[in-house]
Amino acid sequence: QKEVEQNSGPLSVPEGAIASLNCTYSDRGSQSFFWYRQYSGKSPELIMFIYSNGDKEDGRFTAQLNKASQYVSLLIRDSQPSDSATYLCAVFNAGNMLTFGGGTRLMVKP
Amino acid sequence: DTAVSQTPKYLVTQMGNDKSIKCEQNLGHDTMYWYKQDSKKFLKIMFSYNNKELIINETVPNRFSPKSPDKAHLNLHINSLELGDSAVYFCASSPSGFRETQYFGPGTRLLVL
Repeated sequence: QKEVEQNSGPLSVPEGAIASLNCTYSDRGSQSFFWYRQYSGKSPELIMFIYSNGDKEDGRFTAQLNKASQYVSLLIRDSQPSDSATYLCAVFNAGNMLTFGGGTRLMVKP
Repeated sequence: DTAVSQTPKYLVTQMGNDKSIKCEQNLGHDTMYWYKQDSKKFLKIMFSYNNKELIINETVPNRFSPKSPDKAHLNLHINSLELGDSAVYFCASSPSGFRETQYFGPGTRLLVL
């Protein structure tokens, strides 16, 4: 079992819809959770981080964390074509390492 | 000014050669990292370096060695390059610890022929 798992996609949503990106992790001792966005040919850039159970909102983005289910998600409201990218979930685990999932490719169609 | 910079941006070389990739950050961060992203876009940490403490991902071959002349620089030296080393290598930094947001450099695209 991979430490951090994401559906590779592509996830296709129409412009204006809500995009829901999911991530599961295996280490129950994981402490911090990050979502990075990576455009094709570019480097990853941080979208959001979350440490506590529940929801965290920042503009059109909402991160959701459920430690009991070992599940973290990212919701993008009012999706725009410019949101089309690969979204990487990253988990800081008890072993002091940041582990990335394989990423989900999101396509927002006009 | 670029926060995290890497040189070169592209590197094409023959199998068996030795090469280095340089990384510099001007953010005043204490911690720096090297990542490898393969053709399937999987991003894997290779090394993290914080206040002279080096943490190595045990899956990294010892042909790879990080060198940090000072807090702002973390270079990656690769000996005896192999075809499987072809990937994009990203340098990153974070303020003072492994839990924090990481800022990535633009990447170095390495192709081993």
